[in-house]
Amino acid sequence: GQQLNQSPQSMFIQEGEDVSMNCTSSSIFNTWLWYKQDPGEGPVLLIALYKAGELTSNGRLTAQFGITRKDSFLNISASIPSDVGIYFCAGDEYGNKLVFGAGTILRVKS
Amino acid sequence: EAEVAQSPRYKITEKSQAVAFWCDPISGHATLYWYRQILGQGPELLVQFQDESVVDDSQLPKDRFSAERLKGVDSTLKIQPAELGDSAMYLCASSRLRADRDEQFFGPGTRLTVL
Repeated sequence: GQQLNQSPQSMFIQEGEDVSMNCTSSSIFNTWLWYKQDPGEGPVLLIALYKAGELTSNGRLTAQFGITRKDSFLNISASIPSDVGIYFCAGDEYGNKLVFGAGTILRVKS
Repeated sequence: EAEVAQSPRYKITEKSQAVAFWCDPISGHATLYWYRQILGQGPELLVQFQDESVVDDSQLPKDRFSAERLKGVDSTLKIQPAELGDSAMYLCASSRLRADRDEQFFGPGTRLTVL
């Protein structure tokens, strides 16, 4: 089946630092979505991307849909303690069927 | 703000027992999904409904899992009999029927532990 490679697996950063994570795919996607999941809760949608090259922001979060349509990245600026959690990328190859990456665990030192 | 509702939030059962999970999607969302998430991994699709019809159940272990959405609104996922390997988070998500938009919104999940 479809595989998404998400990196890094985990990050432990200082409060105030910027964060960058990315996802790559072996095939082309029509949609990239980024979710955040807190322990014991369901994923919460952060940003949705629908066009190659698209750059979208949501507060301190910025995500881009790669030109090749095989990758996407998420940046978080000036991290704060509540940014802690697991960040997932998800891609839709066709027909509203999402494939998820394995997640990036973010820990923030205050 | 409208949310996807799921119950129960936690379920502990013994192997070979039957369990059922319930999901109520966001009002007006025609598409409903059930995912399974194993600890340390991303969610994996089990079944997708469009209104009351199954669109994709290719990853649903049909010998023990069943899902229904009889009136095209809320849905039930059942496991019978439960096995140790079924321990996971079961997530429900919903989305509007739009070919150009695929924003799926998730519920809080049901954490299943099989002993």
